[in-house]
Amino acid sequence: DVKVTQSSRYLVKRTGEKVFLECVQDMDHENMFWYRQDPGLGLRLIYFSYDVKMKEKGDIPEGYSVSREKKERFSLILESASTNQTSMYLCASRVAGTTRGNQPQHFGDGTRLSIL
Amino acid sequence: AQKITQTQPGMFVQEKEAVTLDCTYDTSDPSYGLFWYKQPSSGEMIFLIYQGSYDQQNATEGRYSLNFQKARKSANLVISASQLGDSAMYFCAMTIYGGSQGNLIFGKGTKLSVKP
Repeated sequence: DVKVTQSSRYLVKRTGEKVFLECVQDMDHENMFWYRQDPGLGLRLIYFSYDVKMKEKGDIPEGYSVSREKKERFSLILESASTNQTSMYLCASRVAGTTRGNQPQHFGDGTRLSIL
Repeated sequence: AQKITQTQPGMFVQEKEAVTLDCTYDTSDPSYGLFWYKQPSSGEMIFLIYQGSYDQQNATEGRYSLNFQKARKSANLVISASQLGDSAMYFCAMTIYGGSQGNLIFGKGTKLSVKP
């Protein structure tokens, strides 16, 4: 089974801190994703990566950056945390798709981040 | 622009009955895939079922089936014989093939509550 592990289930940080959320997958997947989930808004894509050291902005990248130095690890960085970044953060990975394929994204358990 | 719409914020169903969760999608691309995910209160996202735009048959996975009506751009999830453990958020998602790296566009979700 695919295993996507997020470093923390719950995290509390202060405004202005630099925050690192870590995600590791064990299935040699090429593609990795970071989402945030807010009530009534569903999941929104922050950044994704399709290879080591490659990254692409998603729908809401402002205030975030990412790092992918190794294939199995994808880190989300809040450069200067703000209260409006309090949210549930979900990491996912997926094998690189063919142009048509049913490969789903596999998700971690999520990190509930509170910024005080 | 691609979009997923889930019009039912919340649904109730009696245990052992069937329930349909609605999902409509909007895309002009002919090649796409549709996914359903379940999110229990614990937070993890669990992949349930997939339907490709070129698939001739409606997808089925155990108690889950997908009522795919391409002309109406709908992909409703049917859960047969509901169980208490089915109580969760359910998300419909779409990916567009051809250069999207497997990115998913999510709906806002439906909260299903199964009554004993």
